[in-house]
Amino acid sequence: DTEVTQTPKHLVMGMTNKKSLKCEQHMGHRAMYWYKQKAKKPPELMFVYSYEKLSINESVPSRFSPECPNSSLLNLHLHALQPEDSALYLCASSRGGSGTVTDTQYFGPGTRLTVL
Amino acid sequence: AQSVTQLDSQVPVFEEAPVELRCNYSSSVSVYLFWYVQYPNQGLQLLLKYLSGSTLVKGINGFEAEFNKSQTSFHLRKPSVHISDTAEYFCAVTLSNDYKLSFGAGTTVTVRA
Repeated sequence: DTEVTQTPKHLVMGMTNKKSLKCEQHMGHRAMYWYKQKAKKPPELMFVYSYEKLSINESVPSRFSPECPNSSLLNLHLHALQPEDSALYLCASSRGGSGTVTDTQYFGPGTRLTVL
Repeated sequence: AQSVTQLDSQVPVFEEAPVELRCNYSSSVSVYLFWYVQYPNQGLQLLLKYLSGSTLVKGINGFEAEFNKSQTSFHLRKPSVHISDTAEYFCAVTLSNDYKLSFGAGTTVTVRA
């Protein structure tokens, strides 16, 4: 099973709202990722968690707040977003750990976010 | 730092015709290469990957790619496409012990009957 699930599929929110995106995998992977993808563009890395610790933050604005409560779950908390934050948010996971960092990243279907 | 160039932004092709999508990378060290496909309104799915060993890599759905170190290329091919192959294709590269995938800009493949 190479499935990464994401909820919700679609989300519409106002600029003053607080919402969360959720990602789950049960492959025993220890690295999890958040990407942002604008239309007709490649995914852009936002955050990487390795063994539930934040490993990479690609200078993402603080209105995006990641959380990794356990090895299977990854959340992205959203607050005071701007219309330009509207995009497809993709979660991915990989085995992680020493010697396996270059292993395949498996992607979820994404959450399409619209900020009004 | 590594980077990826996909040489064709759009590739129209007729059903049952062959297709080649070109990908070149730049890096001063060894790299690991991937091709992902993204169908409309979906996430990314791995087609194939090159980590080491044989330079001809076979993937899912009849796709294959050849790693050419001297040309720094990793072109994707399929001998006969189907309508269902209409999608966005991304070439990606990463370094050893690096979590970061660098993606190319993508190639839109449109298969027509």
